[in-house]
Amino acid sequence: QKEVEQNSGPLSVPEGAIASLNCTYSDRGSQSFFWYRQYSGKSPELIMFIYSNGDKEDGRFTAQLNKASQYVSLLIRDSQPSDSATYLCAVNLYNTDKLIFGTGTRLQVFP
Amino acid sequence: NAGVMQNPRHLVRRRGQEARLRCSPMKGHSHVYWYRQLPEEGLKFMVYLQKENIIDESGMPKERFSAEFPKEGPSILRIQQVVRGDSAAYFCASSPPASRRANQPQHFGDGTRLSIL
Repeated sequence: QKEVEQNSGPLSVPEGAIASLNCTYSDRGSQSFFWYRQYSGKSPELIMFIYSNGDKEDGRFTAQLNKASQYVSLLIRDSQPSDSATYLCAVNLYNTDKLIFGTGTRLQVFP
Repeated sequence: NAGVMQNPRHLVRRRGQEARLRCSPMKGHSHVYWYRQLPEEGLKFMVYLQKENIIDESGMPKERFSAEFPKEGPSILRIQQVVRGDSAAYFCASSPPASRRANQPQHFGDGTRLSIL
């Protein structure tokens, strides 16, 4: 089992819709959870991070964490074509500093 | 520019040559991480360094790869005797000291695209 799993997609949503991106992780010792956006040929850009169970909102983005289910998600409201990118889920294990990344979900927002 | 600085952006080497990739962390950040991204794959952790110390090198290949973060100057990822399989994007990230890290996750540089002929 991979440490961090994501559906590779592509996930296609129409402009204005809600895009829901999901991530599961295997290690219950995971402590911190991150969502990065990566455009093709570019570097990862931090979108959201979450440490506690529940929801965390920032503008059009909401991160949701459920440690009991080992599940973290990212919701993008009012999706725009400019949101089309690969979204990488990453976790920190307890007492380590390295990030373990999933392979990413490709999101396509069509007009 | 207060971001993570990597150079060169693109590097071409022939098989058997050495590749040196440089990374200067964000201002105020003392921790540097190197990640490798192969085509169509996710990022894989390689090594974590503080000034003059390697903290975690669990992701580094056993041979040909080394990293350093000297007291003065940038962090260097060195690949000796490069092979075609080393072709990838190499990203550096930085973070502040642990005492100030709670709300300051790792931020990435623009990466170095290494191509091996």
